[in-house]
Amino acid sequence: EVQLVESGGGLVQPGGSLRLSCSASGFTFSTYDMHWVRQAPGKGLEYVSGIISHGDGTSYADSVKGRFTISRDNSKNMMYLQMTSLRTDDTAMFYCVKTSNLYFLDYWGQGTLVTVSS
Amino acid sequence: EIVLTQSPGTLSLSLGESATLSCRASQSLSRSYLAWYQQKPGQAPRLLIYGASSRATGIPDRFSGSGSETDFTLSISRLEPEDFAVYYCHQYDKSPRTFGQGTKLEIK
Repeated sequence: EVQLVESGGGLVQPGGSLRLSCSASGFTFSTYDMHWVRQAPGKGLEYVSGIISHGDGTSYADSVKGRFTISRDNSKNMMYLQMTSLRTDDTAMFYCVKTSNLYFLDYWGQGTLVTVSS
Repeated sequence: EIVLTQSPGTLSLSLGESATLSCRASQSLSRSYLAWYQQKPGQAPRLLIYGASSRATGIPDRFSGSGSETDFTLSISRLEPEDFAVYYCHQYDKSPRTFGQGTKLEIK
């Protein structure tokens, strides 16, 4: 059974940093692209970032480019999102999402909440 | 980036009726890489449709997807209580991936 478990969320002040983690199990992690998708309270889904299976290709939404860095450790079945220069509008539930072998997003974690507030 | 516009914003229907949800892309999705997700309060999104028209595993055949290029539709027949939720379309045809703003399906 595919399981994706996010951690690392919490309360951080504007301008601060936070690192999110995603622990994956139930599939061969190293062979699938992975992504982060976020959802601000009461709002819709927003694509944040993605990383290809071997980690040598990444993509970012314009809203986080230059501030967030995605990475993965295939030896540990882990994906990360390093977030810096956080703003109040980064407040959201962050979901770890797996890509299928046909490129669509198939499995989602339950999310970790990031709150940026003074 | 490709902008996905969903309509209507809210759809009010009764049990047993049929729903038609629209998703329009600002550019052609040449490979029809368009997916639909259902989200209920407090839950992560659930995959319904991928490749514009292929149902995900375990999704009832009351759900169907259609469309190509820039116009896509999610149809739900014989609405049941568990179908009332928010629905999002998502394009993975071109980078960066993007989502529509969502359609809320509510009980009339």
